[in-house]
Amino acid sequence: DIQMTQSPSSLSASVGDRVTITCRASQTIITYLNWYQQKPGKAPKLLIYGASTLHSGVPSRFSGSGSGTDFTLTISSLQPEDFATYSCQQSYSAPRTFGQGTKLEIK
Amino acid sequence: EVQLVESGGGVVQPGGSLRLSCVASGFTFSSYAMNWVRQAPGRGLEWVSYISSSSGTIYYADSVKGRFTVSRDNARNSLYLQMNSLRAEDTAVYHCARDSGYNKSWYDSWGQGTLVTVSS
Repeated sequence: DIQMTQSPSSLSASVGDRVTITCRASQTIITYLNWYQQKPGKAPKLLIYGASTLHSGVPSRFSGSGSGTDFTLTISSLQPEDFATYSCQQSYSAPRTFGQGTKLEIK
Repeated sequence: EVQLVESGGGVVQPGGSLRLSCVASGFTFSSYAMNWVRQAPGRGLEWVSYISSSSGTIYYADSVKGRFTVSRDNARNSLYLQMNSLRAEDTAVYHCARDSGYNKSWYDSWGQGTLVTVSS
């Protein structure tokens, strides 16, 4: 199975900050990398697929980049509703594996 | 609006069984493959099972193979997960998730989940 490792595991930031979360795959996944946002007790939401394509309705302050084994999710200017847990997922091969999540908290 | 609503979770003893359901609305359920994904307390998301739109293709994670059975009823817009021989490590929130249908697909809609607790 492909292992996905996110860093950091948690992050404190303020409204308006630029934030970057990293996801590393244990082998190349080309650009088959997806990002999800999850809030407590709520359904996870797809943010980005194919490493850099914004899902419909996702604000443009979210962006994704990377290829091969190293990927990033960037939020250009944090909004109050962005405090949540973010998870990456590879869809290059089965089983689809996820990172352990990055919890973004208010500083 | 796409909606996925899970139910059927609860507290069960080790070795017991539980059947989860996921009712879909807002899209043509019979056209989409579906997945079950779980999240144990303090852990990341873990894919559990996949079923194609016609039920012709089914996959399981190694951790549940032989114990869990996924099925669907397209006439009822419903997805199911029969969980047998439950273990403490199966304790998690279980989400159903719609497969986008593209090659190397992602999950484009999720339910909020139902909690399964395996404890004596």
